[in-house]
Amino acid sequence: DAKTTQPTSMDCAEGRAANLPCNHSTISGNEYVYWYRQIHSQGPQYIIHGLKNNETNEMASLIITEDRKSSTLILPHATLRDTAVYYCIVRVASGGSNYKLTFGKGTLLTVNP
Amino acid sequence: DVKVTQSSRYLVKRTGEKVFLECVQDMDHENMFWYRQDPGLGLRLIYFSYDVKMKEKGDIPEGYSVSREKKERFSLILESASTNQTSMYLCASIFQGRGTDTQYFGPGTRLTVL
Repeated sequence: DAKTTQPTSMDCAEGRAANLPCNHSTISGNEYVYWYRQIHSQGPQYIIHGLKNNETNEMASLIITEDRKSSTLILPHATLRDTAVYYCIVRVASGGSNYKLTFGKGTLLTVNP
Repeated sequence: DVKVTQSSRYLVKRTGEKVFLECVQDMDHENMFWYRQDPGLGLRLIYFSYDVKMKEKGDIPEGYSVSREKKERFSLILESASTNQTSMYLCASIFQGRGTDTQYFGPGTRLTVL
């Protein structure tokens, strides 16, 4: 799986958009970009994933650059409950134990009132 | 919405006790995983199951066993709990797409072994 680089921490004001960047310059053609988050003392939560097109769901939007070497997760109107560690993962799912997730250090997003 | 539930959020057990952690998912997923998560070590795969009665060892299976008698239920068993098994245990149910997978986690069980 390709390696990712994320800022260690970010702050965002409540109600504003949170833009979380991720660099994945060694991504290969069949690898997807996934985002998960983990609120303190809870299980990780899937947010969104994409291959090359931008994606949007009820939680967030994922913007992937044309060369696929970086992406941005956008939480359009951050709330205090969005305070969490956000993990960007690049991987291809190939079955069996290869489905296992490996999180890096992620970005601690703190949403301030 | 996919729902993955785990039997306990917090559990305290004594060394040598047999411990059962249960995970239930309601989305008819075939693949289910058990991870443990420790500070500085990230997620580590203990066991996984790709179908009823099928199981495979993950990266750290020692001291653990699993049971998958029904598709929706995947149990993790600590045969004789030890203090180094104090950890956060996470169950995941996996939706397989074409070339992708999405993992849905339970809330986690924080186990303390005294």
